[in-house]
Amino acid sequence: QQQVKQSPQSLIVQKGGISIINCAYENTAFDYFPWYQQFPGKGPALLIAIRPDVSEKKEGRFTISFNKSAKQFSLHIMDSQPGDSATYFCAASSPSNYQLIWGAGTKLIIKP
Amino acid sequence: GAGVSQSPRYKVAKRGQDVALRCDPISGHVSLFWYQQALGQGPEFLTYFQNEAQLDKSGLPSDRFFAERPEGSVSTLKIQRTQQEDSAVYLCASSSLAGGGTDTQYFGPGTRLTVL
Repeated sequence: QQQVKQSPQSLIVQKGGISIINCAYENTAFDYFPWYQQFPGKGPALLIAIRPDVSEKKEGRFTISFNKSAKQFSLHIMDSQPGDSATYFCAASSPSNYQLIWGAGTKLIIKP
Repeated sequence: GAGVSQSPRYKVAKRGQDVALRCDPISGHVSLFWYQQALGQGPEFLTYFQNEAQLDKSGLPSDRFFAERPEGSVSTLKIQRTQQEDSAVYLCASSSLAGGGTDTQYFGPGTRLTVL
């Protein structure tokens, strides 16, 4: 029940295309859903986050879509650029828990 | 400092050696987290400090792992009698608020530990 399942494991997108990464969770107590971006040799960096009181949040080219009834959320990267090539992690946490529960990651490659 | 720093960046240890990994969080940050990241996997929670108090150590894999933050700033993760399965990147993160997971966590670059 603590798991966050992320797909796909890897993704190749042409420059200018839309990258979509999906996550699903079971624990209905989760109320914070961040996406982190990690470049090789670096620590993860927060990209965008959402709470379940909204169904969508947009920051620049990055959008989170959240479906509370389906217990799913996804990251959309519009106009994908080679500089977006990185590993992306979804995560979730609940107010009663100190832990961020992480997905397994998606390695995104944007082809020029 | 401008961000979370960790040292050393790389550590090679022989099996059975003790190692100590250091984390300097962002100044003034109340919360500090340690994570273990295996190759190709997401980070896994190890332990959480609120100031100097270790409030959650449920993720520490064995009693060979020990963490401290005696003055509420710098933290050290110590691994005794290292084993090959301890090889991983150890990430430290800090956040400004108390209470843990629902606040933005800022990560350091990690320490890559290789146990031979």
